[in-house]
Amino acid sequence: GQQLNQSPQSMFIQEGEDVSMNCTSSSIFNTWLWYKQDPGEGPVLLIALYKAGELTSNGRLTAQFGITRKDSFLNISASIPSDVGIYFCAGPGGSNYKLTFGKGTLLTVNP
Amino acid sequence: NAGVTQTPKFRILKIGQSMTLQCAQDMNHNYMYWYRQDPGMGLKLIYYSVGAGITDKGEVPNGYNVSRSTTEDFPLRLELAAPSQTSVYFCASKPGQNQETQYFGPGTRLLVL
Repeated sequence: GQQLNQSPQSMFIQEGEDVSMNCTSSSIFNTWLWYKQDPGEGPVLLIALYKAGELTSNGRLTAQFGITRKDSFLNISASIPSDVGIYFCAGPGGSNYKLTFGKGTLLTVNP
Repeated sequence: NAGVTQTPKFRILKIGQSMTLQCAQDMNHNYMYWYRQDPGMGLKLIYYSVGAGITDKGEVPNGYNVSRSTTEDFPLRLELAAPSQTSVYFCASKPGQNQETQYFGPGTRLLVL
């Protein structure tokens, strides 16, 4: 089945630093989704990307749909303590019904 | 709208016991999903449903059962709890086939001892 490789697995940064994480796929995706999971909560959608090369922002978050359609990047600028959580990438899991998720990047922000 | 709700929030089971994890959504979404999340392993799909009366297996269905008698509800049943089923369970829903975004509930944390 389709696999998503997400890196890094974890990051420990100081407040105010910028963060970058990425996701690569073994096959072409038509959609990339980025979710954030706060501690003890369910994942919440941050950004959805629908077109190769697309760059989309949501506040301090910016995500890009790679030109090859096999990768995507998420950047967080000027991190704050509430950015702490797990960030997941996801894409259509070989059908219109299902999503394939990466294993997540655990972000810790030191105040 | 309450969105996707799950009950209970937390449960401890003994090996061999059974229980039902409840999931409901009030957004009139056709598609519903059950995932389990183990540390460092992301989200694994257990079962999904594309509409009332229709369910199908995901990646890790063994030891679980589901039913979808209404659009709103999608309960997950554990018949004989095993320690390997200790996990956090998330229910999710989405409107229709051409919309990829899934909306998640807050999760149920299950501990099997």
